[in-house]
Amino acid sequence: DIQLTQSPSFLSASVGDRVTITCRASQGISSHLAWYQQKPGKAPKLLIYAASTLQSGVPSRFSGSGSGTEFTLTISSLQPEDFATYYCQQLNSLYTFGQGTKLEIK
Amino acid sequence: QVQLVESGGGVVQPGRSLRLSCAASGFTFSGYTMHWVRQAPGKGLEWVALISYDGSKKYYADSVKGRFTISRDNSKNTLYLQLSSLRVEDTAVYYCARDILVGDTTPFDYWGQGTLVTVSS
Repeated sequence: DIQLTQSPSFLSASVGDRVTITCRASQGISSHLAWYQQKPGKAPKLLIYAASTLQSGVPSRFSGSGSGTEFTLTISSLQPEDFATYYCQQLNSLYTFGQGTKLEIK
Repeated sequence: QVQLVESGGGVVQPGRSLRLSCAASGFTFSGYTMHWVRQAPGKGLEWVALISYDGSKKYYADSVKGRFTISRDNSKNTLYLQLSSLRVEDTAVYYCARDILVGDTTPFDYWGQGTLVTVSS
């Protein structure tokens, strides 16, 4: 089974900050990685797929990069609505999610 | 617009069974692979099962293999998850989700609002 490890697990930041979340896979998964945002009590929302392709309607301040075993999600300038939990997901061999990164307001 | 609406959750005793449903609308249900994903209270997301667009292929997470059964009725635009031999650790919000094939990858672009299953004596 492919394991995904996100870092950090918790992140405290301010509006306007640039933040980066990392997702590492236990084995190579090419670019078969997606990122989701989840707010409390809500379903996850797809942000990025194929490691770097922005889902339709997602603001351009979100970007993704990486391939193989190391991936990043970057938010260029945090907005109040971005404070949420973020999950990576591998789609190379069935499906696995990372443990999540909770982004909180500093 | 695409809508996925889960139902069937509730409180059930360990060892008992429950069937979840996911009613789909706003898209051609029979053309999409569908999934169940669960989230235990305060925990992360766990993929549970998938079924291909025509029901011919089914895959399960090891944690539910042999206990849960995914199925679909394309004439009713409905996805199902039969949960059997339930354990306390199956307590979670269960989401249905649609996947889209883009290139050679299949992210989940639409999710339902979830239905809570609580396994407790």
